[in-house]
Formats: sequence, structure tokens, C-alpha cells
Amino acid sequence: AQSVSQHNHHVILSEAASLELGCNYSYGGTVNLFWYVQYPGQHLQLLLKYFSGDPLVKGIKGFEAEFIKSKFSFNLRKPSVQWSDTAEYFCAVNAAGGYQKVTFGIGTKLQVIP
Amino acid sequence: GAVVSQHPSRVICKSGTSVKIECRSLDFQATTMFWYRQFPKQSLMLMATSNEGSKATYEQGVEKDKFLINHASLTLSTLTVTSAHPEDSSFYICSAREDKQTQYFGPGTRLLVL
Repeated sequence: AQSVSQHNHHVILSEAASLELGCNYSYGGTVNLFWYVQYPGQHLQLLLKYFSGDPLVKGIKGFEAEFIKSKFSFNLRKPSVQWSDTAEYFCAVNAAGGYQKVTFGIGTKLQVIP
Repeated sequence: GAVVSQHPSRVICKSGTSVKIECRSLDFQATTMFWYRQFPKQSLMLMATSNEGSKATYEQGVEKDKFLINHASLTLSTLTVTSAHPEDSSFYICSAREDKQTQYFGPGTRLLVL
């Protein structure tokens, strides 16, 4: 079974600072990777996903993530955060091939200070 | 994008009563829907996978007689918490699968059992 770890549980940044949220997964086979975001008072939304191909994935709102297979990582990045990026971010993984259940990380709360 | 709704958004009930939560995919057909439970400061925990026209698949440790799932159509799945007790108080989230791997989430239902 796969597992996901997100190292930073709470991150506080000033506006315009660069962001990198760590995500590592544990699974021996091919995986699909996701980042979801939950803004305050709202439901989970898909930020970006990786199935195959270019390991650098671009998502909505200027976010990107890079899949590094050798490190079992899928870190989320944004060059310059805004106050509106304040939210909780969840990394998720499932085994590729057919449908396999998705496993979520514990989430990282990002607080952006104006 | 794909929209998933849940109803009700919050419910308070007395111990021993049953509560039904609806999950609808509004602009796409979902052969598979998922029910999650989210505890405070924890990640989403998959409870069950709901397939249209067939019995739900429950995760280990989830009582199928307590959490009844019905997926009668391609746009509606229901979760009924039977004989609810205070320990069932939680945030219940559904998601619907649009393509092979991507899930879209509902806004969640906050259940409080007194």
C-alpha cells in the first residue's frame, strides 16, 4: 500500500516569498500524483496532477510541481505567493494502472502574511 | 470544471437517530463516488468506494451496517449514518471520479451528534 508524507504542517510566508511544499510518497510501482488545495471555508479543489510525461507539471494559479522519481517526491512550488494563497494543501498519490484508491497526506497549512 | 455538491452542509442530530447525506455530481456522470471522513488536524480517511448499481466497497475498519451507501444513479450517491453516536461526529466529504484517476470533491458535511 502507498503512503504520503508532507513534512511541513504549517508554513508562514510573507507575500512575494517563494513557496516550496514537500511531498514524499512510498510505493514501489508507477504512481499518479496530485496536489489539492482547500481554501478557508471551501472544499478541496484539484491544483494539479501528474500521470506521465513531463515531470514538471503546471497547475492553476501559478503553481507547479516536479516529480522526481529517484527521490519519490512531488514538491509543490510557486515563485511568489499572494495572500489569497492562504489555504491548506494536500498531496495525494495512487498506484497507476486501472483505478486504485487515492491516499492523501496530512496536509500543510499555508498562511501568507500581507 | 466538474462540480460536486453535498447536502446538507451541516446537520445536528440526537444520538440514536439516522442521518442521510447526499452527494451529487452536477455536470458530469460519475460511475464511482467516494466517501471520506476528515478528523480535526488529520488527513482524509477513505471510508468506502461507491459504484453505480453495485454494492459499495468499504475500507478496513469501516462498519458497512453503520455507514450505508447507496449509488442509485450516475449522479447521486448517499451515505446514511445509522443510529448515530457522538463519536460519529465528524466532517464527511464525498468525491466523484470524472476520468480514470481524477476526483472532484464536494464541500463536505459537518455532522454533530448530541
